[in-house]
Amino acid sequence: DMKVTQMPRYLIKRMGENVLLECGQDMSHETMYWYRQDPGLGLQLIYISYDVDSNSEGDIPKGYRVSRKKREHFSLILDSAKTNQTSVYFCASSLGDTGQLYFGEGSKLTVL
Amino acid sequence: QQKVQQSPESLIVPEGGMASLNCTSSDRNVDYFWWYRQHSGKSPKMLMSIFSNGEKEEGRFTVHLNKASLHTSLHIRDSQPSDSALYLCAASMGGSALGRLHFGAGTQLIVIP
Repeated sequence: DMKVTQMPRYLIKRMGENVLLECGQDMSHETMYWYRQDPGLGLQLIYISYDVDSNSEGDIPKGYRVSRKKREHFSLILDSAKTNQTSVYFCASSLGDTGQLYFGEGSKLTVL
Repeated sequence: QQKVQQSPESLIVPEGGMASLNCTSSDRNVDYFWWYRQHSGKSPKMLMSIFSNGEKEEGRFTVHLNKASLHTSLHIRDSQPSDSALYLCAASMGGSALGRLHFGAGTQLIVIP
């Protein structure tokens, strides 16, 4: 069964703390994504990764960085989290650049 | 300003009725459109894609695309309560940017039994 797994599902951090969101997929998809979803704004692309160590900024990369050392694993890092980074973060993967994305269940981050 | 605009923001239809959702891109470089469905508290899942002018039907779902106006619409006939969800329209350019989807804010569909 094709699956994208995100950890943790829920996270509460204080402003200035570091945050690590992790994502794994079992489909050997080359392309992986990180989006955030906020009410009224839809899904906004943070970073896209085309394969191991081949990452590209999305539309809102500021304040985020990513790491992809294995094809099946993609991490999103927030160094010194800010309150406006409170959001639901979705990881996704796709086979090549098909546009058919498979999303994880989301990670809800609250920054106090 | 969002590149993909969806209307209406919310829509209430009776069970068995027709739901019509609209989506327009303000970026003339866009070439491809997708519709995703997101049930409450769940992840988005792709519903349909359309890349050429015209119409595409899958079961109770029909999508239309007019490339000249960069407008796509999703129509759900015989709507069911299980269709209640947030419907997200996404668009992208072709080539190496095909996978860079820009999503709209969505239309919240509520189907009343």
